[in-house]
Amino acid sequence: SQELEQSPQSLIVQEGKNLTINCTSSKTLYGLYWYKQKYGEGLIFLMMLQKGGEEKSHEKITAKLDEKKQQSSLHITASQPSHAGIYLCGADNPGNQFYFGTGTSLTVIP
Amino acid sequence: KAGVTQTPRYLIKTRGQQVTLSCSPISGHRSVSWYQQTPGQGLQFLFEYFSETQRNKGNFPGRFSGRQFSNSRSEMNVSTLELGDSALYLCASSLGQLTDTQYFGPGTRLTVL
Repeated sequence: SQELEQSPQSLIVQEGKNLTINCTSSKTLYGLYWYKQKYGEGLIFLMMLQKGGEEKSHEKITAKLDEKKQQSSLHITASQPSHAGIYLCGADNPGNQFYFGTGTSLTVIP
Repeated sequence: KAGVTQTPRYLIKTRGQQVTLSCSPISGHRSVSWYQQTPGQGLQFLFEYFSETQRNKGNFPGRFSGRQFSNSRSEMNVSTLELGDSALYLCASSLGQLTDTQYFGPGTRLTVL
C-alpha cells in the first residue's frame, strides 16, 4: 500500500508568517491532492497536482509537486487565523485506490 | 447548489449493534466515496460507488458495506460494531472519477460504547 508521510505533524505560527507543509510518498505519485479540514467540519478540496514540477496557487496557498522526490509541498504566505486547520495530502494510484497523509495541524496565533 | 449532506451528524451505539449512515451527494454527482477518520489512523478510504455499483474498495473488513440508490444517495452500514469503529465518517461526492474534485460532507460522528 502507499504511504504518505506529512511533516510537520503540527505547526504553530504567528499571524503573518510564512510556512511550509510537506507530503512525502513511499511510492510514485500519479496525482497529489491537498485538502483542508477546519476543526469539526468536513474536508475542503484545495488543489490537485498531476505533473512533476507542477505548481498551483489559490489565494495565498501554493502547492508544488516534485515527482522525482515523490514529494509535494504546500506553502502559505502571510498566514492568517483563517488558515488554521488540519491539512491533508492525498494520492491515488493506478489501482484506483486513494490514500491520505497523516495530516498537519496548523494553528495561527493572531 | 446544496452541498453534500450526511445524516445523522452524531450517533452513539453499543458494541455488537449495527449502524447505517446516509449521504446525499450534490445534485448531478454520480460518485459517492466514504472515508473513515480516526485520530490514530488518519483518513482512510472505505469504498466508492458509481451508478449504484461499488467501483473501488479500501482495506476494511466485510462488516463495512454500502450501497447506492438510483438517485445517487448512498448508505454505509457497519455491522457488529466494535469500539475501534468510533470515528468520523465522511462521504464525498463527485461527477464521476475518483480523481475528479470531491466535495465532502460534514461527516457523521459515530461513538461506540
